[in-house]
Amino acid sequence: TQLLEQSPQFLSIQEGENLTVYCNSSSVFSSLQWYRQEPGEGPVLLVTVVTGGEVKKLKRLTFQFGDARKDSSLHITAAQPGDTGLYLCAGGGYSGGSNYKLTFGKGTLLTVNP
Amino acid sequence: DTEVTQTPKHLVMGMTNKKSLKCEQHMGHRAMYWYKQKAKKPPELMFVYSYEKLSINESVPSRFSPECPNSSLLNLHLHALQPEDSALYLCASSQRTSGGSSSYEQYFGPGTRLTVT
Repeated sequence: TQLLEQSPQFLSIQEGENLTVYCNSSSVFSSLQWYRQEPGEGPVLLVTVVTGGEVKKLKRLTFQFGDARKDSSLHITAAQPGDTGLYLCAGGGYSGGSNYKLTFGKGTLLTVNP
Repeated sequence: DTEVTQTPKHLVMGMTNKKSLKCEQHMGHRAMYWYKQKAKKPPELMFVYSYEKLSINESVPSRFSPECPNSSLLNLHLHALQPEDSALYLCASSQRTSGGSSSYEQYFGPGTRLTVT
């Protein structure tokens, strides 16, 4: 069973601060996806990383995939109240033959205070 | 267009009721998923359909019965649920369950908030 440890679980910061969320595993993932979810809504895909060492930027968000494809980080620069939400990392891999599944981390609940 | 739609948005049902959740996507995706999510927890996979065939059942109780009538539609039939089944039920789709990296990206619908009384 593949496990993803996500930290921190809760984060409350002031507008303008920077933050980093981490996802770590002892397993190798073929891809890793980051989602953001607002209360009562479905997760929205932010980015997919597939290559070890890959770095992707989405405005103030920077995503990195570890060289060994076992870990990933999400860095937010100058956080804004609109960044508030549940951030989920999800690692992709095969389970039992050709069935591809996502393994989700427990999520980071981010609150950005104005 | 990466839209997955789900109906209804909210559902309240008694333990003896029979109801169905509906999910639809028109992205040409051939893999569709049902997830259950409790508050402030990550989604838990329930079922995976690949090319309209059930490929994964994560030991879900038989009171949940999935159905994939065609490549665009996914239903979840509910019968004799328990109060602990109250949760947000999410549908997702992806191009396929195998292949290149873009095939793996799952797109989620807004969910159905289910309350069992």
